[in-house]
Amino acid sequence: DQQVKQNSPSLSVQEGRISILNCDYTNSMFDYFLWYKKYPAEGPTFLISISSIKDKNEDGRFTVFLNKSAKHLSLHIVPSQPGDSAVYFCAASGQTGANNLFFGTGTRLTVIP
Amino acid sequence: NAGVTQTPKFRILKIGQSMTLQCTQDMNHNYMYWYRQDPGMGLKLIYYSVGAGITDKGEVPNGYNVSRSTTEDFPLRLELAAPSQTSVYFCASTSDPSIPQHFGDGTRLSIL
Repeated sequence: DQQVKQNSPSLSVQEGRISILNCDYTNSMFDYFLWYKKYPAEGPTFLISISSIKDKNEDGRFTVFLNKSAKHLSLHIVPSQPGDSAVYFCAASGQTGANNLFFGTGTRLTVIP
Repeated sequence: NAGVTQTPKFRILKIGQSMTLQCTQDMNHNYMYWYRQDPGMGLKLIYYSVGAGITDKGEVPNGYNVSRSTTEDFPLRLELAAPSQTSVYFCASTSDPSIPQHFGDGTRLSIL
């Protein structure tokens, strides 16, 4: 039973344009959300997070939006760069700092130069 | 700074064999985790540890064992390898659960 879902397996975007990656969750007890980025043959690396008390968190070119009523979050990358090409995982936990993170299946982003 | 180191990077096992996946971190983190990632799926937590001598089950612990005798090391043991355990295994650590986890580069395990 997948509690965190990323329904788009892949996304292609032109360099300089906006990339929008989406994530949906089913468990209303989740209150902490993270995005991880993964290159081939490497482990995931943390990108950005958001707590349920916020609806937006920004870090440079990366912004995460949270819509609790819709159980939906999205990651915006502006402007997209070729080095952003990777697999992006959404993850959620039931309390900030919980030891059990639930991951989505990932979206492969390709930024075309 | 090595971070989280996993060995081996690749391994092929026969059904019924046993092996230990090694994980070491040099950041003095108390919290350590083992995940598996099956093709086309997200990472699933197998076991975790909140400090030396303390371990607990995650979402998919069956078929695995762990131990945590030191802060640095968190080995994952497969006693009787089964084809369903073919996966990529990731180890992670953090100094506090409120801080995002650092991941190793993974061990790709195939069981034939």
